[in-house]
Amino acid sequence: DSGVTQTPKHLITATGQRVTLRCSPRSGDLSVYWYQQSLDQGLQFLIQYYNGEERAKGNILERFSAQQFPDLHSELNLSSLELGDSALYFCASSSRSRGEEKLFFGSGTQLSVL
Amino acid sequence: AQTVTQSQPEMSVQEAETVTLSCTYDTSENNYYLFWYKQPPSRQMILVIRQEAYKQQNATENRFSVNFQKAAKSFSLKISDSQLGDTAMYFCAFMRGDQFYFGTGTSLTVIP
Repeated sequence: DSGVTQTPKHLITATGQRVTLRCSPRSGDLSVYWYQQSLDQGLQFLIQYYNGEERAKGNILERFSAQQFPDLHSELNLSSLELGDSALYFCASSSRSRGEEKLFFGSGTQLSVL
Repeated sequence: AQTVTQSQPEMSVQEAETVTLSCTYDTSENNYYLFWYKQPPSRQMILVIRQEAYKQQNATENRFSVNFQKAAKSFSLKISDSQLGDTAMYFCAFMRGDQFYFGTGTSLTVIP
């Protein structure tokens, strides 16, 4: 168990809809990262938050947005969903503590857009 | 910008044999971290091994070891005594500050 919790594990929705994916990082980790992985593809970095502030942005569509709350949990909002948005969405957290410089991944949210 | 290259999209190995997965990276930094992550069919991302760039000694974790060549910017993963459970996608990753960069992955199949 990585200590990173993602909900829901599975999500099925229709095109044009909006969904929210939730992530709770490991206790004490200030950084949260979101990744998208389409079937048989690599990891696409979407966005990173550090202690509530956006820290880095990757290939995130304008239809997607995220935020990190004061309790450090994060939400990824996906709107106007398209078939191509079907993917596994990972949340990960990291710590800058010595010896802990690594990414801890949640188990992912599998999004299916029908 | 940092880039990570995995030039072997797919590999296979016989059970109990040894296999080496390649990874190269490009950076002008001197202090950084390197990782190998494993993604089995369950699609969970699992940390296999971690290397600190300032340490010359190669990291090892049981049957997994790395060959870290800092000057050549190479970070290969060796899996000894391969097991069926090693069948997975393997991602090489680079970390500098709090930024992570992933390679495109190598799909490894262990053949019984």
